[in-house]
This record gives sequence, C-alpha cells and structure tokens, in this order.
Amino acid sequence: AQSVTQPDIHITVSEGASLELRCNYSYGATPYLFWYVQSPGQGLQLLLKYFSGDTLVQGIKGFEAEFKRSQSSFNLRKPSVHWSDAAEYFCAVGETSGSRLTFGEGTQLTVNP
Amino acid sequence: DAGVIQSPRHEVTEMGQEVTLRCKPISGHDYLFWYRQTMMRGLELLIYFNNNVPIDDSGMPEDRFSAKMPNASFSTLKIQPSEPRDSAVYFCASSFSTGVSPLHFGNGTRLTVT
Repeated sequence: AQSVTQPDIHITVSEGASLELRCNYSYGATPYLFWYVQSPGQGLQLLLKYFSGDTLVQGIKGFEAEFKRSQSSFNLRKPSVHWSDAAEYFCAVGETSGSRLTFGEGTQLTVNP
Repeated sequence: DAGVIQSPRHEVTEMGQEVTLRCKPISGHDYLFWYRQTMMRGLELLIYFNNNVPIDDSGMPEDRFSAKMPNASFSTLKIQPSEPRDSAVYFCASSFSTGVSPLHFGNGTRLTVT
C-alpha cells in the first residue's frame, strides 16, 4: 500500500529565510506526487505536481520540489519565504490506476517577521 | 470556473440529527471524492465516485454515513444519526480521469455535532 510521511509536524522560519519541507513516500511503482497548501478555513490548493520527466518541478508562488527516487523523497523548497506562506502543507502520492490520492499528515509552517 | 462548491460552510447540529452535506464538482470532472479532516486523523478519504458510480467506499466509517451522486453535477454526504465524534471538516474534491489528475478541493464544510 502506498503511504506518505511528513516528518516535521511544525516548522518555524523567519521571513526571507529559505524553506525545505520534507516528504517521503512508499509506493511500488513510479509515483505521482503532489504538494498542496491549505490556508486556515480553506480547502487544499495544488502547489505543484510530478508525473515524470525532469525531477525538479516548479510550482506556483515560487515553490519548487525535487523528486529523488533513490531517497523516496519529494521535498518542497522555497528560496525566500513570505509571511503569506504561513499555512499547512500536504504532500500526496497518487495511484497510477486513477486519481485517488494518499496524503501525508501535513506540516504546519509559521513565518516570523 | 467557479471551482468545487460545497454547502453549507458551517453546520452545527445536535447528536442524533440527520446531516446532509452537498457538493457541486467542477464541470467536466468525472471523479468526485469526499474527504474528512480532523486533528487526530488528518485527511481521510471516505468515498469516491467515477462517472457518478461509487468506486470505493471502504473509508466510510459506519453505516451511519452514506453518499450519493445522482448526476454529474451534484453529490451528497449524509450522516444519520450524527454523533459528536463526527465533528470534522468535510471536503469534496473533483478531478479528470485522464491519467493522474490533480484534485481540486472545495472550501469544506465544518460540522459540529453537540
């Protein structure tokens, strides 16, 4: 069965600092990977996705993620964090047979001024 | 595009009452998903539909929960009778079926059962 682990429940960074959120997955075949962001009181919004090809993918809001098969990881990065990036971030893995996603437990990001 | 529309945004009800949550997916999407989010369990997939047909309802916690999709533009999730432990945020999401398509989420319904 597929699974996703986000080791960090809560991360705090200063505005302007770089950010890396970790995601590890378990899946038998080539994974389809996603990062979503959830602001308070809102649904989940897609940041970026990886299906195949270039292992470094660019997303919205200046985020990027790198797929590393050898490490079963898909970490999310941003070079300079803005206060508006404070939210909860979810990594997810999708099945090849359809659109069903398995989500990680989420990482809550706090941004200090 | 209006996105996935859920109603109501908030629902407060007493234990034992029936609750119905509603969802309108994005036009043209043929997958529809119901998720439940709680602090303790995170995001849980309850049930999903493809072309209005339920594909997997193994995540539905009990017989008190039921979901229907009478047509491509409308789905309901019903809880009867409701219990305090059903308190959560319920999300509806939709997607295309071609390959692996990202999910588009609604803003959720926050259910409180007292």
